Amino acid sequence: EPEVTQTPSHQVTQMGQEVILRCVPISNHLYFYWYRQILGQKVEFLVSFYNNEISEKSEIFDDQFSVERPDGSNFTLKIRSTKLEDSAMYFCASSSGTPYQPQHFGDGTRLSIL
Amino acid sequence: GENVEQHPSTLSVQEGDSAVIKCTYSDSASNYFPWYKQELGKRPQLIIDIRSNVGEKKDQRIAVTLNKTAKHFSLHITETQPEDSAVYFCAASIVGEYGNKLVFGAGTILRVKS
Repeated sequence: EPEVTQTPSHQVTQMGQEVILRCVPISNHLYFYWYRQILGQKVEFLVSFYNNEISEKSEIFDDQFSVERPDGSNFTLKIRSTKLEDSAMYFCASSSGTPYQPQHFGDGTRLSIL
Repeated sequence: GENVEQHPSTLSVQEGDSAVIKCTYSDSASNYFPWYKQELGKRPQLIIDIRSNVGEKKDQRIAVTLNKTAKHFSLHITETQPEDSAVYFCAASIVGEYGNKLVFGAGTILRVKS
């Protein structure tokens, strides 16, 4: 069964540095998402991406964050000037172009800001 | 915006018993309701979902019911097994042309005692 893959599995970064989290969605999927989960809390929506542009973003997704689909397979989340409170598990998800199809999640990247 | 409440936060059952987890949502426009199971340190995995035009859906030991009028939906697991132990998240979504963000509940820790 095809899977969403994310790299790295764990990223440790100094506060103030920039990080890029990488995702390879399922190949025929058209909708891409980033979510985050702070330890012990619920999964929170960050941003959705369709047709090479952001379709929706949450209040969390401020100017510090950006997303990009640099080629036909990768989908990246960039966090500039990281803060301690950015420490979380970041999940990428993708879904097909058919309505009501489920979102498939990757294994996540655990981001630790020191 | 959409808000999803989930209860209980923890649930302990004896192996073989049934487990019920309940969620309420606030936005009457929500039309898609997935349930995800998350084992410790792993990705959320879809276990069942339901659309707003359906009142109930069943898949082996798992069933979901939806009451649109009351804006609540429930997950029912029968004949629970130790491997059902995990965190379960409900979510609500409005399926649209540009994708659909998932708004998650806070999660329920299910412990099945053998």
